[in-house]
Amino acid sequence: QITLKESGPTLVKPTQTLTLTCTFSGFSLTTTGVGVGWIRQPPGKSLEWLAIVYWDDDKRYSPSLKSRLTITKDTSKNQVVLTMTNMDPVDTATYYCAHRMTGKNYFDPWGQGTLVTVSS
Amino acid sequence: DIQMTQSPSSVSASVGDRVTITCRASQGISSWLAWYQQKPGKAPKLLIYAASTLQSGVPSRFSGSESGTDFTLTISSLQPEDFATYYCQQGTSFPLTFGGGTKVEIK
Repeated sequence: QITLKESGPTLVKPTQTLTLTCTFSGFSLTTTGVGVGWIRQPPGKSLEWLAIVYWDDDKRYSPSLKSRLTITKDTSKNQVVLTMTNMDPVDTATYYCAHRMTGKNYFDPWGQGTLVTVSS
Repeated sequence: DIQMTQSPSSVSASVGDRVTITCRASQGISSWLAWYQQKPGKAPKLLIYAASTLQSGVPSRFSGSESGTDFTLTISSLQPEDFATYYCQQGTSFPLTFGGGTKVEIK
């Protein structure tokens, strides 16, 4: 059974850097075809894909946020970390990590999500 | 970027109704499309991928189809647990993009 869980601060101040950790089980990020992605959802709005890291350490980012995002993996800890710099109130959202279906850029399952509020 | 346009943004329906939701891609995506269901306060759940393949464990009343750049999610007989918001997502090129969502509400 694959599970993922996000952890990190619930409140960050404008201009600060957000660091979120996705801890997963039931799969390995050393297995060919595997990936973990991050997706966010502002309150009452749709979903926005942020980044993905693959088993071979290939990484892709949303072009609109690329300068602010870094995604890394720690295969020994079964964790994926997303950092986002220069946080702004418009970045207030629920942040999800999700398992990429092998060989396909769809996500299943997802973590429960963590709400991050950006406010001074 | 490939834009995904969903319609309608909301639909009111009764238990037992047939519901159809459409997602239009701004360019060709072959069959690289997924549908997700999201209930309030919960994470999205994958229902259908590759436009028409039902994910394991998803009831057969859900189905997906495609015609060119138009994709359709159909719920053949709406059940109480189906009231939720539905999103499409294209998986053919980066950045991966989602539709704006369709909220299925109780009539």
